[in-house]
This record gives sequence, C-alpha cells and structure tokens, in this order.
Amino acid sequence: SQTIHQWPATLVQPVGSPLSLECTVEGTSNPNLYWYRQAAGRGLQLLFYSVGIGQISSEVPQNLSASRPQDRQFILSSKKLLLSDSGFYLCAWMTASYNSPLHFGNGTRLTVT
Amino acid sequence: QQQVKQSPQSLIVQKGGISIINCAYENTAFDYFPWYQQFPGKGPALLIAIRPDVSEKKEGRFTISFNKSAKQFSLHIMDSQPGDSATYFCAASYTGGFKTIFGAGTRLFVKA
Repeated sequence: SQTIHQWPATLVQPVGSPLSLECTVEGTSNPNLYWYRQAAGRGLQLLFYSVGIGQISSEVPQNLSASRPQDRQFILSSKKLLLSDSGFYLCAWMTASYNSPLHFGNGTRLTVT
Repeated sequence: QQQVKQSPQSLIVQKGGISIINCAYENTAFDYFPWYQQFPGKGPALLIAIRPDVSEKKEGRFTISFNKSAKQFSLHIMDSQPGDSATYFCAASYTGGFKTIFGAGTRLFVKA
C-alpha cells in the first residue's frame, strides 16, 4: 500500500533562518506531488506541484521554493524565513490517472519567531 | 471560473441530527468531486467522492448529492456524532488537470 511521510511534525525557526521540509512517498511510481499551506482556521493554499523529477510549478510567488530530486521525494525550502511563512505545511500525492484523489501527509506545523 | 464556493463556514449540529454542507462550481469541465475530512493537527483525508454521471452516492452515514444542471453538490452526514466534528472540504478536479480546486472549508461541531 502507498504511504506518505512528512517531517518534521513541528518546527520553530527564527526569522531569517533557512528551511527544509521533506516529503517522501512509498508504494507508487511517478506520482504527482504537491505542497500546500494552511493558515490557522483557513483553507488550503496550493504552493507548488510537480509532475516529474525536476519539474516544479509554482502557484504563488513567495519566499519559498520546491525541488524534486527523486521520483518520490519532494522538498520545500526557504533561504530566509519570514514571520508570514508560519503555518501548517502539507505534502500530498496523487496518481497521474483519471479521477484520482489527493493523499495528504500529516503536515508540519512551522512557527517562525 | 476555477473556484469552488463552499457554505456554511461553520456548522453546529446536535448529536443524531443531519449535517449539510453545500458547494457550487462554475467550470463545467470538472468531472471529479471529492470531499475531504480534516481533524485538528492532521492532514485532510478523502471521505467520499462522486463523478457527474451519478446524482447521489452513499457510504455509510455520508451521502453526496450532485446536481449537474445547477452545478452544485452537497455532503449530508446522517445521525451526526461528536466524532464527526472536523473541518470538511469539498473539491473539484478534471481529467488531464494537475490541480484540485478546494472550497474554503466548513468547521463542523456536533454537540453531544
């Protein structure tokens, strides 16, 4: 069966520090991969998605970047965190097929202080 | 045209009652309509999904009603339980598209 791993679960970082969040998927090949951000009590904002290794599409211009160095690995990064980067970051995957649902990880709670 | 509008924003229901959440869309290319359930501190999880060739789908206490002509769909939770208290998101996507469009979410609280 397919599983998605996302870490760390919580993170407290000072303003101006770098960020690296990692997500890996097991049990499937060539998935579409996604990074979402969710502000407290708010909806899901799509940040990046990838349909293949090295292919990244950015949805919202911001202080973040994403990379996909391997088929089932998706990384969210920042060189210098801002206070506004605080939030709940969710990685998700989907098979590249007809009518496929998203499968989310358990998220990373990032607090920038 | 890519939006999915979801209402209400929040909902309080007595235990045993029916919870109803509504969504509307504009893009007629959408052909897959999932609902996700999210508990605090967790990622959303697929609850139930429907395609536009059927008007209703039922799984246990959860039912999706779909009105293609009105471009609306809704989630009904029968015999609502305190354990159903969560945030619910409707969503839509289309074949060949890479993105899932989410509604803004509904926070459901079921009173014991």
